Amino acid sequence: GAVVSQHPSWVICKSGTSVKIECRSLDFQATTMFWYRQFPKQSLMLMATSNEGSKATYEQGVEKDKFLINHASLTLSTLTVTSAHPEDSSFYICSARGPTKSSGNTIYFGEGSWLTVV
Amino acid sequence: LAKTTQPISMDSYEGQEVNITCSHNNIATNDYITWYQQFPSQGPRFIIQGYKTKVTNEVASLFIPADRKSSTLSLPRVSLSDTAVYYCLVGVPIYNQGGKLIFGQGTELSVKP
Repeated sequence: GAVVSQHPSWVICKSGTSVKIECRSLDFQATTMFWYRQFPKQSLMLMATSNEGSKATYEQGVEKDKFLINHASLTLSTLTVTSAHPEDSSFYICSARGPTKSSGNTIYFGEGSWLTVV
Repeated sequence: LAKTTQPISMDSYEGQEVNITCSHNNIATNDYITWYQQFPSQGPRFIIQGYKTKVTNEVASLFIPADRKSSTLSLPRVSLSDTAVYYCLVGVPIYNQGGKLIFGQGTELSVKP
């Protein structure tokens, strides 16, 4: 079946540096992907919609200059946390809609990426 | 998107049937009901989706009353591996809104031996 993969699974970075997380659709093309953030013991919070070939659409309260999203191809979206701070430490998850309308009711999620900023 | 209300947590024992109810009083005519399962440090996994009455698959059953203001996810004979957070989502069919999902608080199910 359709698979969405994230890389890295976990990353530790120093405060003030930037870190990139990749989200790939492995066997299908995804014109739209979504990025979520999840703090421990909390629900997923939608951050932005990543659109292939165009600018991402950010949810209210999410800083677009801090969380840079690039969707340069039909199988890859990247989330770059710029000038990371400890409060950015979180579990980041991406998702993509299934490849065809017949399976389009299914959203596939990546494995998630743990970011720890020290 | 309709707001959903679920119990924050539930406890069960292995072999029991677990029913998790979700309230969605403001569900719209075109809205579907979808349930996801999430294990710690993993992305959510689709369980089941329905519009009305009853839907069953190899994993669970979904019961939706006629007024559709609530729904119940039924997990038959749970095992320890069913310990997870279960999310109820309500919205239009995914392919009509591109896959944007808004998650509520979810229900943390703990299955004990």
